Amino acid sequence: DIQMTQSPSSLSASVGDRVTITCRASQSISSYLNWYQQKPGEAPKLLIYVAFSLQSGVPSRFSGSGSGTDFTLTISGLQPEDFATYYCQQSYSTPYSFGQGTKLEIK
Amino acid sequence: QVQLQESGPGLVEPSQTLSLTCTVSGGSISSGSYYWSWIRQPAGKGLEWIGRMYTSGSTNYNPSLKSRVTISVDTSKNQFSLRLSSVTAADTAVYYCARGRGDYGDYYCDYWGQGTLVTVSS
Repeated sequence: DIQMTQSPSSLSASVGDRVTITCRASQSISSYLNWYQQKPGEAPKLLIYVAFSLQSGVPSRFSGSGSGTDFTLTISGLQPEDFATYYCQQSYSTPYSFGQGTKLEIK
Repeated sequence: QVQLQESGPGLVEPSQTLSLTCTVSGGSISSGSYYWSWIRQPAGKGLEWIGRMYTSGSTNYNPSLKSRVTISVDTSKNQFSLRLSSVTAADTAVYYCARGRGDYGDYYCDYWGQGTLVTVSS
């Protein structure tokens, strides 16, 4: 199975900041990497698929990059509604594993 | 607008079978090329992919659950279901149904149900 590791596990930032979350795969997954946002008590929401494609309706301040084993999610200009937990997921091979999550908190 | 809604017992006894249904509205479950999927999340923990059924009927399951899990589709009711046998306390989680899609060998879940908590306890 492919292991996904996110860093950091938690992050404090202020409104307006630019933040970057990293996801590393235990083997190459090409560009088969998705990013989800989850708020407490809610279902995950798709942000980015195939590493850099922005899901319809998602603000352009969210961007994804990377390929192979190393990927990043960048949020440029944090908004109050962005404070949540973010998960990466590989879709290269089953089982489609998730990272452990990165909790983004208000500083 | 596609919507998904999970339903089923919130409490299951150990060793019994967990059964959940996901009702899809806003689109036919048998049209298009989608992967009808289940994901779960223990309280305060991360997400675990359980498995999926493609529109054609083929399935993929997480090997950690494979011997216990079955996903099926009922096109007449526009629903798909999850059955997980021989449950233990470790199966206590919020269970999400989701619509997966992928155009070039990729896979991502663009619509999710709100989730339903299933507790395994006697």
